Amino acid sequence: DIVLTQSPGTLSVSPGERATLSCRASQTVSRNYLAWYQQKPGQAPRRLIYGASSRATGIPDRFTGSGSGTDFSLTISRLEAEDFAVYYCQQYGSSPRTFGQGTKVEIK
Amino acid sequence: QVQLQQWGAGLLKPSETLSLTCAVNGGSFRDHYWSWIRQSPGKGLEWIGEISHSGRTNYNPSLETRVTISVYTSKNQFSLKLNSVTAADTAVYYCARGLSGTLSPWGQGTLVTVSS
Repeated sequence: DIVLTQSPGTLSVSPGERATLSCRASQTVSRNYLAWYQQKPGQAPRRLIYGASSRATGIPDRFTGSGSGTDFSLTISRLEAEDFAVYYCQQYGSSPRTFGQGTKVEIK
Repeated sequence: QVQLQQWGAGLLKPSETLSLTCAVNGGSFRDHYWSWIRQSPGKGLEWIGEISHSGRTNYNPSLETRVTISVYTSKNQFSLKLNSVTAADTAVYYCARGLSGTLSPWGQGTLVTVSS
């Protein structure tokens, strides 16, 4: 199985600042099939990014995904109050699909 | 707009069978795979498996011997059965639509607790 390691575990950021989250895979993610999800307390995850860099429908352009191979990142350009949440990466290029352990973005 | 509504028993004893159902409202049931995922504090998010409208399944090898995912196309529903549960199966279980391997949207989640 492909192991996805996210860093940092927790990111403390002030509103309006930029946040960069990392997701590193234990082996190459086929066809850069890497997605990002946002999860708020008591809610199901919501898909933000697919194909490493394509924004899902309705996702604000302050969310940007990048990377390829084994190293991927999610950047939130100007954090808004609603963006404080836990973010997960997921690879779907190989079976079984696997998730990272998450990065919590908290208010500084 | 696609919405997923799930239900099932939330408290089980060890060795019992977990059973959950997910109903799909809106969108095309036939055009997608339909997945189950679980989330626990210890193991994080874990993909359990998926099924197509025609009944083709893919399972996570780590659970394959205990999992059955079924589809009821006439009702736009699919279900999850996990047998011989233990405390390690305690988690929030989600259903979700597969979109070329990604998952969107998700159901509301069902907390399943296994305890004697």
